[in-house]
Amino acid sequence: EDQVTQSPEALRLQEGESSSLNCSYTVSGLRGLFWYRQDPGKGPEFLFTLYSAGEEKEKERLKATLTKKESFLHITAPKPEDSATYLCAVQVRDSSYKLIFGSGTRLLVRP
Amino acid sequence: GEEVAQTPKHLVRGEGQKAKLYCAPIKGHSYVFWYQQVLKNEFKFLISFQNENVFDETGMPKERFSAKCLPNSPCSLEIQATKLEDSAVYFCASSPEGREGYTFGSGTRLTVV
Repeated sequence: EDQVTQSPEALRLQEGESSSLNCSYTVSGLRGLFWYRQDPGKGPEFLFTLYSAGEEKEKERLKATLTKKESFLHITAPKPEDSATYLCAVQVRDSSYKLIFGSGTRLLVRP
Repeated sequence: GEEVAQTPKHLVRGEGQKAKLYCAPIKGHSYVFWYQQVLKNEFKFLISFQNENVFDETGMPKERFSAKCLPNSPCSLEIQATKLEDSAVYFCASSPEGREGYTFGSGTRLTVV
């Protein structure tokens, strides 16, 4: 069964304290892995897509990496405005374009 | 515009009543997706459309849920005879070609009482 697991469930950081969020996946074949950010009361906001092991993408303080079993979202010197829930999702090859989501990591960055 | 517009933002229905949710995808996007988000951020895929055609409906509860995407009209998701467990936030998303990251709307919160 295709599955996505995110850890930790929640993470508290001080402003400037770098850390990483983990997304491990088990799929029959990966078409793409997606990272989203969700703020309370809003829809997920697209951050990155990664398609193959070894690929990396960056946006401001965020960097996403991918291996054959997991993805990491590295947050460098976070600010309070980075506080949100970060969602990981996969698309399986040879299936429709639906996403299988993990349960997310709630990030709180304190000033 | 470059946003997915969902209406209404909130909907309250008594158990057994009908609920209808609407979604206007981004112009030019061929794919529309509906997801249900329940407690603890669990996203459940419901259905997808390629233009006005059903693309994947494997997540749809067969009995009470239906959806349409007709030309020149917002897409809709309808729940007949709502149950308490239908209480959730329903998100619509659209995508130009399906395989890239979607743009999500801000959701409709359905509360069944």
